[in-house]
Amino acid sequence: ETGVTQTPRHLVMGMTNKKSLKCEQHLGHNAMYWYKQSAKKPLELMFVYNFKEQTENNSVPSRFSPECPNSSHLFLHLHTLQPEDSALYLCASSQGIGQGHQPQHFGDGTRLSIL
Amino acid sequence: KQEVTQIPAALSVPEGENLVLNCSFTDSAIYNLQWFRQDPGKGLTSLLLIQSSQREQTSGRLNASLDKSSGRSTLYIAASQPGDSATYLCAVPWAGSYQLTFGKGTKLSVIP
Repeated sequence: ETGVTQTPRHLVMGMTNKKSLKCEQHLGHNAMYWYKQSAKKPLELMFVYNFKEQTENNSVPSRFSPECPNSSHLFLHLHTLQPEDSALYLCASSQGIGQGHQPQHFGDGTRLSIL
Repeated sequence: KQEVTQIPAALSVPEGENLVLNCSFTDSAIYNLQWFRQDPGKGLTSLLLIQSSQREQTSGRLNASLDKSSGRSTLYIAASQPGDSATYLCAVPWAGSYQLTFGKGTKLSVIP
C-alpha cells in the first residue's frame, strides 16, 4: 500500500480522444502534485495543488487540464494530445507545500501512449 | 535556476560490493535533499531526506551524506544485493521554493 493510488496504470489513446487520469491519496495530506517523466529526461513538475487550490502551473499546455475536487483526489484531463506527450505521469502528495513539508509520496504512475 | 546532475548514469556491480552514487546541485541554498528509488514501471519511493543542517542520514545499508558548500551529496550502499537494482534519483527544492528539481538518475544493476 503506497498511500497514493493512480488509475489507470496504462492508457493508450489517439490524438483526438479525451481521457482522464485519476490520483487518490490516503495519507491525510493537503498538497498534491502532477509530474511528467519522459525517457532520458528528469521529472518535470506540471501542477501543484494545496488545499484544493492550484498554486503552480509550470507552463503546461492547455491540452492538460487538472482538477482537484478535494485534498484527497486529483485528476488530469487530457484532450487533443500530441505524440510527444507519451510519458509516465506521476502523482505525489505531501503534508503541505512548505519546504518543511517534504517528503513527497508518489504513486506508481500512469504510462500514457499517444498513437 | 537549480540544476541537478547525477553521475554515473548507469552502474553495474557484482553482488556484495559497496558502492557510491553521486549527486551534485548548482545552487547551495537548499533546505533539504531527498534520495528516491524507482523500480521499472513504478513510482518513486523516498529513501532518505537530509535537512540542510545535517551532514548525513542512515537507513539500514544506506547512508546519504550532504555537503552544501560544495553542492554535493552521495548515497552509499553497503553490501549490495540484486534487490537493490533500480534507478536512484536525487532531488532538491529550488532556492526559496518548495518545488523539487530532480536529477536524471543513476540506473544500478547488481549482478548475482
